[in-house]
Amino acid sequence: DAGVIQSPRHEVTEMGQEVTLRCKLISGHNSLFWYRQTMMRGLELLIYFNNNVPIDDSGMPEDRFSAKMPNASFSTLKIQPSEPRDSAVYFCASSLPGQGANTGELFFGEGSRLTVL
Amino acid sequence: SQQGEEDPQALSIQEGENATMNCSYKTSINNLQWYRQNSGRGLVHLILIRSNEREKHSGRLRVTLDTSKKSSSLLITASRAADTASYFCATVPDQGAQKLVFGQGTRLTINP
Repeated sequence: DAGVIQSPRHEVTEMGQEVTLRCKLISGHNSLFWYRQTMMRGLELLIYFNNNVPIDDSGMPEDRFSAKMPNASFSTLKIQPSEPRDSAVYFCASSLPGQGANTGELFFGEGSRLTVL
Repeated sequence: SQQGEEDPQALSIQEGENATMNCSYKTSINNLQWYRQNSGRGLVHLILIRSNEREKHSGRLRVTLDTSKKSSSLLITASRAADTASYFCATVPDQGAQKLVFGQGTRLTINP
């Protein structure tokens, strides 16, 4: 079975450029979480969706960040314009219906490593 | 702010020894989960323990939970070189919420 698929795995871009990170959920999962991991701040929850609806985006750093779920199996995280402090590994994770982090486990992708110069 | 805090931050032991990592958290929880992350990879779920459980086993893993002390421990017995990874505890801090909040992790190194 395919797990959570993220792309790109690595991206290097210059400050001011738009960055789009992509995530494909595991088939049948209905909750989607975006996390950011840095050495200084560890793993931070940015936003999560249930059934394509954003539930909590309080972790999104600022208006430069936006996330969408255009359908039940796909999500994007966009940064516009990007800044050097956005450099991090961005993970998405999905979970089964009726569970989510409230009761069950999250399935993580391999991450997208973003470097903003 | 992080909900879970792991201790120690780094641990280095010889292959075959047992490794114990601890996690403390601040608020009441629904459950506590442990995850493993190999270098450059995503996190992998290891085990979940609910707030009404005190101990759980899975293979060489043993997890305990003390809700009165707001703490949990992960024991890996008979460690192997392949256990080298970072280990994170994660909690759902509020009843009904779905925000899994991770600690800073323990970096475990198993020396052959």
